[in-house]
Amino acid sequence: DTGVSQNPRHKITKRGQNVTFRCDPISEHNRLYWYRQTLGQGPEFLTYFQNEAQLEKSRLLSDRFSAERPKGSFSTLEIQRTEQGDSAMYLCASSSPTSGAFREQYFGPGTRLTVT
Amino acid sequence: GQQVMQIPQYQHVQEGEDFTTYCNSSTTLSNIQWYKQRPGGHPVFLIQLVKSGEVKKQKRLTFQFGEAKKNSSLHITATQTTDVGTYFCAGQNSGGSNYKLTFGKGTLLTVNP
Repeated sequence: DTGVSQNPRHKITKRGQNVTFRCDPISEHNRLYWYRQTLGQGPEFLTYFQNEAQLEKSRLLSDRFSAERPKGSFSTLEIQRTEQGDSAMYLCASSSPTSGAFREQYFGPGTRLTVT
Repeated sequence: GQQVMQIPQYQHVQEGEDFTTYCNSSTTLSNIQWYKQRPGGHPVFLIQLVKSGEVKKQKRLTFQFGEAKKNSSLHITATQTTDVGTYFCAGQNSGGSNYKLTFGKGTLLTVNP
């Protein structure tokens, strides 16, 4: 069990550019979550997948944001036409199918995005 | 939508003093989870409370879930410098496929040695 990994760890981009982040969950975890965290705030839910199905998206997720989990394993989060307000830490978490209906989430180290 | 409020936002204590953070939800929760985030780190799961009035202990940490399942607290006895970090509560509702967590803003604990 190597934990949740995220790449890249840091990304600096210019406004208007597209960025893509990757998350590799703990193996055999069927649920995968994306959150955004800004300074002094708790993580804000963006979206989640059960296997390859995207089951919920937050209203925070504008049409510039898209997430995929094509084979039910790793996931990508893409932001198109980045804006300065997108600067944040993007956290990925996964949870196990074996730990009951209410499951603890294991977070990755995050990708820090800076839009200049 | 569901909101989770936490107080205080910051707490500075001398090592050895106790610490408590409080969490209130605008809606009744199915369960509440607590996470700790060290400076520069990511949230790490501490505990989950499911039952009304539940109390759980982990060494010097005591977690409570209110009778109405709308509030919770975390109490640390005799703080140590290793307790430094931000403590988040996160509420979860059941029903359908909704398993997302709604986090509070957290309480940043600093400990003076």
